Amino acid sequence: EIVLTQSPGTLSLSPGERATLSCRASQSVSSSYLAWYQQRPGQAPRLLIYGASSRATGIPDRFSGSGSGTDFTLTISRLEPEDFAVYYCQQYGNSPLSTFGQGTKVEIK
Amino acid sequence: QVQLVQSGAEVKKPGASVKVSCKASGYTFITYGITWVRQAPGQGLEWMGWISAYNGDTNYAQKLQGRVTMTTDTPTSTAYMELRSLRSDDTAMYYCARGGRTTAADYWGQGTLVTVSS
Repeated sequence: EIVLTQSPGTLSLSPGERATLSCRASQSVSSSYLAWYQQRPGQAPRLLIYGASSRATGIPDRFSGSGSGTDFTLTISRLEPEDFAVYYCQQYGNSPLSTFGQGTKVEIK
Repeated sequence: QVQLVQSGAEVKKPGASVKVSCKASGYTFITYGITWVRQAPGQGLEWMGWISAYNGDTNYAQKLQGRVTMTTDTPTSTAYMELRSLRSDDTAMYYCARGGRTTAADYWGQGTLVTVSS
């Protein structure tokens, strides 16, 4: 099973600041099959990024994804109030089994 | 528009079974898989498994093998997830999402809360 480790656990930032979230895999992951999700309290997750760097439909361009191999990054260029949430990475398609990272909470400083 | 509508909350006793439904609309059902994800209270997302709506192929998380069954009913565009021998640590919000083995989960249901308590 591929283990995804996200860091930091919590990121305390102010609106307008840049957020950089990391997702590290225990073995190499195809970039085609790495996704990022946002989850706000009381809501279902929302797909932000698929294929490591492609934005999902309707996702603002302040969200961007990058990386390859075992290291992937989600960047939010300028935090808006609605961006304070928990973010998860997921690998899929690299094996029959998919896994999620444990999540990074982005909170208001 | 794509929608996934799940069945309502359930309360079950330890050892019982639960079957959650997920009715899809707004797209051709058999062209996408359905992924199931759960989230225990205050915890992260846990991938449970996936089913192809085209041919019924499934992949289940190893820790759930033998207790979970995922099925689909094409005429009603509905997916089902049954979990047996329920334990207290199965208490969670259960989500279905459109997505398969090589596609990310792009549309999600509203979630179904399953509570396991004696």
